Amino acid sequence: AQSVTQPDIHITVSEGASLELRCNYSYGATPYLFWYVQSPGQGLQLLLKYFSGDTLVQGIKGFEAEFKRSQSSFNLRKPSVHWSDAAEYFCAVGAASGTYKYIFGTGTRLKVLA
Amino acid sequence: EAGVAQSPRYKIIEKRQSVAFWCNPISGHATLYWYQQILGQGPKLLIQFQNNGVVDDSQLPKDRFSAERLKGVDSTLKIQPAKLEDSAVYLCASSLERGRNYGYTFGSGTRLTVV
Repeated sequence: AQSVTQPDIHITVSEGASLELRCNYSYGATPYLFWYVQSPGQGLQLLLKYFSGDTLVQGIKGFEAEFKRSQSSFNLRKPSVHWSDAAEYFCAVGAASGTYKYIFGTGTRLKVLA
Repeated sequence: EAGVAQSPRYKIIEKRQSVAFWCNPISGHATLYWYQQILGQGPKLLIQFQNNGVVDDSQLPKDRFSAERLKGVDSTLKIQPAKLEDSAVYLCASSLERGRNYGYTFGSGTRLTVV
């Protein structure tokens, strides 16, 4: 069975600073990996996904993530954070067969200081 | 393309009452999911439909929760009777097909408060 760990519950960065949100997963095969963002009172919006191929994945809003199989990680990065990036970020791992269901991490809440 | 529609947006009920949520997925999406998101936690899958059949309901508390997807389109999730711990956001998502190359699209959710 797959599982996801997001070690940081809260992260605070200054506007314009770089950002890295950590995600570690457990899965017996090559996983499908996703990052979603959730603004208050909203549903989840897909930022980016990894299925195969290039391990550096580009997403929307200037985000990118790198799949590192050796570290079982899929960290999300952004070179320069904007105040509008303040939200909760969820990493998810999808099963590659069977039900293909997603398992979500507990989320990281990002606060951006002006 | 219209998104995943959910209603109501908010619901407040007393414990032991019943409640129902409705979801209309993106047109043509065969796979539909209901997730429960308790405050401070990530979404947890309750049930997954492929067309009008249940694929996975292993985490659905079947003594109080039920869901159906008639005609393979709209879906309803019901709780009867509700408990305080059911307070959460209930998210519906849909996907074109059950498979690796299809991501989910989520609705805005229904926030349930049980008092």
